Amino acid sequence: ETGVTQTPRHLVMGMTNKKSLKCEQHLGHNAMYWYKQSAKKPLELMFVYSLEERVENNSVPSRFSPECPNSSHLFLHLHTLQPEDSALYLCASSPLRGDTQYFGPGTRLTVL
Amino acid sequence: KQEVTQIPAALSVPEGENLVLNCSFTDSAIYNLQWFRQDPGKGLTSLLLIQSSQREQTSGRLNASLDKSSGRSTLYIAASQPGDSATYLCAVGNTGGFKTIFGAGTRLFVKA
Repeated sequence: ETGVTQTPRHLVMGMTNKKSLKCEQHLGHNAMYWYKQSAKKPLELMFVYSLEERVENNSVPSRFSPECPNSSHLFLHLHTLQPEDSALYLCASSPLRGDTQYFGPGTRLTVL
Repeated sequence: KQEVTQIPAALSVPEGENLVLNCSFTDSAIYNLQWFRQDPGKGLTSLLLIQSSQREQTSGRLNASLDKSSGRSTLYIAASQPGDSATYLCAVGNTGGFKTIFGAGTRLFVKA
């Protein structure tokens, strides 16, 4: 247990569905991250929030919409996804920028 | 644009052997470098974090070195054990520590 939890752990959705991924950290950290891990590709940084403000958006399509209501919670809202969006979505947190990142177990997303 | 390469892609060694995993990066203006471990279907576990001003970090049987001028880092694992079997990921932090670029990883198998 790293202190970072993600729900759900598995999600199957159709291309017309709307769903949300949730991440919660119990470590008192101030920075939170969303990553995408596709098969046979390196881990890709999607979004970074620091003190609840988005500080990095790595050219992610608008069908992915992040939300950080407070420093402990991070959401990734999904709508009209494509099959190529199927991947493991990982959340991480760190005390401050540049510190060690602690990862959650991930959500395995399948888009049909 | 920062690119991170890890060699080899896969490695199989007998138990007890000392081994070295390699990571190279193209832009030496890094903020920090992290080594992670990932077990199948799971999130990442941070092993070592080296700040740009440091040359190496040690934790137990693990030692990571950083040579910014040559754009290289190595992870040395002493006396390998079957429990060390996992994928090892190198990640370079840029942009004040927020933007993290990952390598594709080295998949390690330690035979009993």
